[in-house]
Amino acid sequence: ILNVEQSPQSLHVQEGDSTNFTCSFPSSNFYALHWYRWETAKSPEALFVMTLNGDEKKKGRISATLNTKEGYSYLYIKGSQPEDSATYLCALRHGSSNTGKLIFGQGTTLQVKP
Amino acid sequence: DTAVSQTPKYLVTQMGNDKSIKCEQNLGHDTMYWYKQDSKKFLKIMFSYNNKELIINETVPNRFSPKSPDKAHLNLHINSLELGDSAVYFCASSQKAGGPNTQYFGPGTRLTVL
Repeated sequence: ILNVEQSPQSLHVQEGDSTNFTCSFPSSNFYALHWYRWETAKSPEALFVMTLNGDEKKKGRISATLNTKEGYSYLYIKGSQPEDSATYLCALRHGSSNTGKLIFGQGTTLQVKP
Repeated sequence: DTAVSQTPKYLVTQMGNDKSIKCEQNLGHDTMYWYKQDSKKFLKIMFSYNNKELIINETVPNRFSPKSPDKAHLNLHINSLELGDSAVYFCASSQKAGGPNTQYFGPGTRLTVL
């Protein structure tokens, strides 16, 4: 059974703080890693899809890095704002999957206090 | 325009009933998915269809039956509902099944079985 683990499970920061959290996954037979942002009562919204070791992606104040050899990805948020409060999910696409199957982590819930 | 829509948003029903949840995507995607958010908040894949053909069928009770009348629709029918079926069900779609394609999620259907 493949496990995708995210840490921490929850995080409280002050507005303006920078923060980061981790997604760990089995490094063998890696195909792709997805990051999603999920606000309460809304749909998960895609942030990044990463496929190559050393990949770095950026979207505004949010960025992500990928290390496929050791099996982890970091998500960084620079200068957190209250509107960044959400659950951040990572999801692994394993092997040469041609079925689109994603294995999700449990998420890191971020609360940004004004 | 909503890209991936689900109806109903909330569904409250008695044990033993049969119910359906509908999903439609207007993105022109080939592949659609059903996920269940379990009690620990993980999103777990249940089914996937590619061009109306079933390509993922995880270990799900056979009371759950997906139906894809065309590639823009993937409905989920549940027979003989049980208390443990209470969960939030999410539909998603992606352009293709193969490749690192982003999956776009619907708003979820909260099913409560009494």
